[in-house]
Amino acid sequence: ELKVEQNPLFLSMQEGKNYTIYCNYSTTSDRLYWYRQDPGKSLESLFVLLSNGAVKQEGRLMASLDTKARLSTLHITAAVHDLSATYFCAVERTYKYIFGTGTRLKVLA
Amino acid sequence: DSGVTQTPKHLITATGQRVTLRCSPRSGDLSVYWYQQSLDQGLQFLIQYYNGEERAKGNILERFSAQQFPDLHSELNLSSLELGDSALYFCASSGGQEETQYFGPGTRLLVL
Repeated sequence: ELKVEQNPLFLSMQEGKNYTIYCNYSTTSDRLYWYRQDPGKSLESLFVLLSNGAVKQEGRLMASLDTKARLSTLHITAAVHDLSATYFCAVERTYKYIFGTGTRLKVLA
Repeated sequence: DSGVTQTPKHLITATGQRVTLRCSPRSGDLSVYWYQQSLDQGLQFLIQYYNGEERAKGNILERFSAQQFPDLHSELNLSSLELGDSALYFCASSGGQEETQYFGPGTRLLVL
């Protein structure tokens, strides 16, 4: 059974600091997704990672995938207040999708 | 705006009732997905359709059913509703090799 663990659950950080969110999963996967969700809003796709060693970057966010370790990371560089949101990873295997519990990020000025 | 539309935005109904949620995917997207988000169960994948055919089922209850029509819009039918079915229901669509999913604004269902 595919299980996805995401940590930390909550993250409060100062503006300008760096931090990493971790997403571990239990079995092989076909794709790994990162999403952002603002309070009361829908999900916004950030990254889709397909293969081992994949790295994608958009602005202050960078996602990477290590399929051998079954680990994906979402790295935040020089955080700004606008990045405050909940971030989810999701793992796909044979067209079925399992989500992590989400990381609620709060960036303090 | 993702280009995915969902109706209605809000729905309040009683236990035992049946409701239908509707989703129109982005133009050209052949895949439609349904998800449920609740405080106690988090985000759960329910079902995926591809070009009118069911492709995968997740944690979808037998009381729930879905279909995708020839014009690619999709409907999620929830019947014999229980209090625990109260949740946000999202539809998403995708196309292309990476299968990036674009989520609709969601339907908030409240079962009283």
